[in-house]
Amino acid sequence: DSGVTQTPKHLITATGQRVTLRCSPRSGDLSVYWYQQSLDQGLQFLIQYYNGEERAKGNILERFSAQQFPDLHSELNLSSLELGDSALYFCASATRGNTIYFGEGSWLTVV
Amino acid sequence: AQSVTQLGSHVSVSEGALVLLRCNYSSSVPPYLFWYVQYPNQGLQLLLKYTTGATLVKGINGFEAEFKKSETSFHLTKPSAHMSDAAEYFCAVSDDAGGTSYGKLTFGQGTILTVHP
Repeated sequence: DSGVTQTPKHLITATGQRVTLRCSPRSGDLSVYWYQQSLDQGLQFLIQYYNGEERAKGNILERFSAQQFPDLHSELNLSSLELGDSALYFCASATRGNTIYFGEGSWLTVV
Repeated sequence: AQSVTQLGSHVSVSEGALVLLRCNYSSSVPPYLFWYVQYPNQGLQLLLKYTTGATLVKGINGFEAEFKKSETSFHLTKPSAHMSDAAEYFCAVSDDAGGTSYGKLTFGQGTILTVHP
């Protein structure tokens, strides 16, 4: 158990819909990262937050957004979903000088 | 920009044989290097990491990796493969995001390790 909690574990939704994925980082970790894992793109960095502020942005679509709340949990919002958005979405957390730990992921299937 | 290349998307070994998974990186700054393992339908688990200091890094489950700056490599090895080592392995590189935490991880495409009895 990495200590990073992601919900839901599995989600099936229709095209055009919007979903929210939730992540609770390890206790004390200030950084939260979101990654997307798909068969064709592999593991891709989406976005990083540090103590509530956006720190780095990767290949995140404009239809996607994220935020980190004062209690340090984070949410990834995916809207106007397309079939190609079906993937495993990972959250990870880290504290300065420490390892980046990953959650078990949220499986999103868009039908 | 950073990048990672894992040579060989599939590696097959016999139980008891040496495991060697290759990773080369590109980074304009001193890198932090990681190996993660992903078992089927599970998340990513850290095997080992290199930040500074000793270039030979020992990890969990008998794995180790050596950072070779001149070769820009960070190959993962295990002297004797076990059936339970069958999984997908990812090499990743990061930089220091201004000291606040690690920067984003850039992953290789992964290597699927198969272990035959």
